[in-house]
Amino acid sequence: DGGITQSPKYLFRKEGQNVTLSCEQNLNHDAMYWYRQDPGQGLRLIYYSQIVNDFQKGDIAEGYSVSREKKESFPLTVTSAQKNPTAFYLCASSIFWTGRRDNEQFFGPGTRLTVL
Amino acid sequence: GNSVTQMEGPVTLSEEAFLTINCTYTATGYPSLFWYVQYPGEGLQLLLKATKADDKGSNKGFEATYRKETTSFHLEKGSVQVSDSAVYFCALSDRMAGNNRKLIWGLGTSLAVNP
Repeated sequence: DGGITQSPKYLFRKEGQNVTLSCEQNLNHDAMYWYRQDPGQGLRLIYYSQIVNDFQKGDIAEGYSVSREKKESFPLTVTSAQKNPTAFYLCASSIFWTGRRDNEQFFGPGTRLTVL
Repeated sequence: GNSVTQMEGPVTLSEEAFLTINCTYTATGYPSLFWYVQYPGEGLQLLLKATKADDKGSNKGFEATYRKETTSFHLEKGSVQVSDSAVYFCALSDRMAGNNRKLIWGLGTSLAVNP
């Protein structure tokens, strides 16, 4: 089955530590995205990547970093500089990063990060 | 800039009731419109979409019509089930630099269906 996997499902971190969230897709999609979701709020874009070795900041990139060394993988690092990192993190991917108007995004199951 | 506004929840209905979740948008050009659903503890799934004015998206008994004259994309279902309990997000595709696109999201509307 094709899809997006995120691991771990729950993650706990001590304040001041960096932590990396995994996102893998086997859909052969070109574009990948990281969103943050807080209770009662919509999704906010952290970073996105169009192709391997390329990524761009989204709306709330401060305190986060990413890499895109392989087409199928787009890990997100939450650094100690992120002031309020406790949230639900969602990874998504899509085909054809070309300006198509119906560019559907497919989502992983999410990782819930809690800072202790 | 472009934006999406959804009705606030939570919405609580009895099984077999009629559902409407309002979504209006502000956009330049001709964005595509989407409804996504998020079941408890899970990621989001595309429920339906429409790419141009007067298009109707439909899936699993849910429908939404792209109304350009009222800038709306309201989600409807004639008879809800307990299994429809979830959070529903309205979104539109927005052009970014370099002819790329991203999704602009509403805040989500929580639906609880009681047996």
